[in-house]
Amino acid sequence: KNQVEQSPQSLIILEGKNCTLQCNYTVSPFSNLRWYKQDTGRGPVSLTIMTFSENTKSNGRYTATLDADTKQSSLHITASQLSDSASYICVVIVNSGNTPLVFGKGTRLSVIA
Amino acid sequence: KAGVTQTPRYLIKTRGQQVTLSCSPISGHRSVSWYQQTPGQGLQFLFEYFSETQRNKGNFPGRFSGRQFSNSRSEMNVSTLELGDSALYLCATKGTSANYNEQFFGPGTRLTVL
Repeated sequence: KNQVEQSPQSLIILEGKNCTLQCNYTVSPFSNLRWYKQDTGRGPVSLTIMTFSENTKSNGRYTATLDADTKQSSLHITASQLSDSASYICVVIVNSGNTPLVFGKGTRLSVIA
Repeated sequence: KAGVTQTPRYLIKTRGQQVTLSCSPISGHRSVSWYQQTPGQGLQFLFEYFSETQRNKGNFPGRFSGRQFSNSRSEMNVSTLELGDSALYLCATKGTSANYNEQFFGPGTRLTVL
């Protein structure tokens, strides 16, 4: 069964600190993996998209890594800001089938002053 | 370019009623997907429409249906509402030439069933 597991479920960090969110998946066949940021009451916004051959991709203070062998991805946030408080959702795209996107349940990040 | 718009943003209904939600895609986008988001289950895929035809369907009961119009706008209908249908309903659209099939989400419709 295609699944995406994210950890931790929630996280509280101090402003200015770094953090890393984890995503493990059992999806086959794999097409690509995305990280989304979802502010409260808003729709998700894409942060990074990574294909099978990409190991790392950055978007400002956000850096995503992908290990296709172990089927793990991480999202590292550097020098966190209060505006980083949001849910971060890992999504894996399946290459075929009726449900082309498999979503994790997200990590709820709270950045406090 | 205007983003994906969804109407209404908030909706309160009672059990047994039906509801229709609307999604207007980014100009030029022909694919519209619908998702249900709840705190316990996260985002779950409902269905995808492309050129007025349902292309993919998730594992939801037949009470959930949708359609797409010739201008690519899409509607989602839920009949005989249940308490468990309370959720944020998101639509996402993509263009035919989008990199990696990237989807752009709307702000969602918050449905509360009493």
